[in-house]
Parts: sequence; structure tokens; C-alpha cells
Amino acid sequence: KAGVTQTPRYLIKTRGQQVTLSCSPISGHRSVSWYQQTPGQGLQFLFEYFSETQRNKGNFPGRFSGRQFSNSRSEMNVSTLELGDSALYLCASSLMAASSYNSPLHFGNGTRLTVT
Amino acid sequence: DQQVKQNSPSLSVQEGRISILNCDYTNSMFDYFLWYKKYPAEGPTFLISISSIKDKNEDGRFTVFLNKSAKHLSLHIVPSQPGDSAVYFCAARVTDSWGKLQFGAGTQVVVTP
Repeated sequence: KAGVTQTPRYLIKTRGQQVTLSCSPISGHRSVSWYQQTPGQGLQFLFEYFSETQRNKGNFPGRFSGRQFSNSRSEMNVSTLELGDSALYLCASSLMAASSYNSPLHFGNGTRLTVT
Repeated sequence: DQQVKQNSPSLSVQEGRISILNCDYTNSMFDYFLWYKKYPAEGPTFLISISSIKDKNEDGRFTVFLNKSAKHLSLHIVPSQPGDSAVYFCAARVTDSWGKLQFGAGTQVVVTP
């Protein structure tokens, strides 16, 4: 079974631009979450989607947004990029069902975003 | 605020010996705990987890212990192997927060020959 796939792997943008990152979850997984990893803040939760609905949101500004499609694939968007948005953005999926409550998140290899 | 804490940023252990990684948490609502391993330029890889109704879970060389009264969990790796050299993250979540994990800062493990 294929793992979580994130595209692109690397991205370089300039301040003020916007960016869209893509994530394909493990087949059959309906929950997709996004995380930001930076050296200073570690792994921080951005948001979680299930059945095209946002279920949870972390403490990030409104410039960070996401969505989920009917096939469970997800995208996140960052508008008006700032230098501090440079980070590794990780997507994770999980099998969200009553019988699988204690189901771990499985992560992709991330998109390394550099803002110059 | 940091609800999950890994106070040891690094650990060096000899091949074949036991690695013990520690994690403390402050939120008593956490009911599911996980350990992940991460290599540079890769995403975290799930290792092992434990529900708050248990105090121990084993999977091969990995054992996780949970002490709810102390709000403390630990990961034991026996025996340690060179391929275990990586950053290990402890994570936790509250009930019904399927995809929202709180992560510790990580512990860099180096296994020496």
C-alpha cells in the first residue's frame, strides 16, 4: 500500500507570494492533518480535515488555509508568504473510524518550503 | 504552552545496549500516546503507541511504558542498533482529536559501535 504522498518536495518562493502544497493520503484513510516543522518551534499542528470538513485548527494566522476533496486528497495554501514561513510542511493521514479509534497518524516526507 | 516535554535533547548509547527515552506531559486529558522516529529530510515514522488504559505496550525491540500518575512515559529500545540513530518524538492527543497531536521537541539518539 502506498504511503502518504506530498508534492512538491522542495519549493522556493519570495516574500508576498502564495503557495499551494498537495497531499494524497494512504488509500482508505479519510482524515488528513497538516503540520509545520521548524527548528525553533518543532512540530506544530496546522489543521485537520475529514470528509471535506475542517475538524480542528491550530494557532496559525488566517494566511494558512486548507481544504480536502471528495477523494480525501488535501491541499494547504499559504498566502502573502513571510520569511518565517520557511519550514518543512508535513501531511499525515489516519484511518478514522469508530473501530480504529487508536489509529496512529502516518506522515509523508513533507514539502520543504524556503521563502526568500 | 508546551504540553509534551522531552527534556533530553540527545542520547548516546552503545550498540547492543538499551536506549531509554523519556517524555513528560501536563495535560491530564491526553488519552493516547505515540512515539515517532525521524530521519533528516523524511517525515516521522510511527513506531509504537499506547492507550491511557494500559501501562505497557511491546512491539519487537520497542516497549513503551506509561505512568499516568506521574504523567510520564518512556520508550525502551533493546537492543539498540546503528539504524536506530535518529530523532525520536513523543506525541499525545486528547479524546476525539484524531489528527491533532501535541509533539515533544525530540531526542536525538546516536548509537555507537
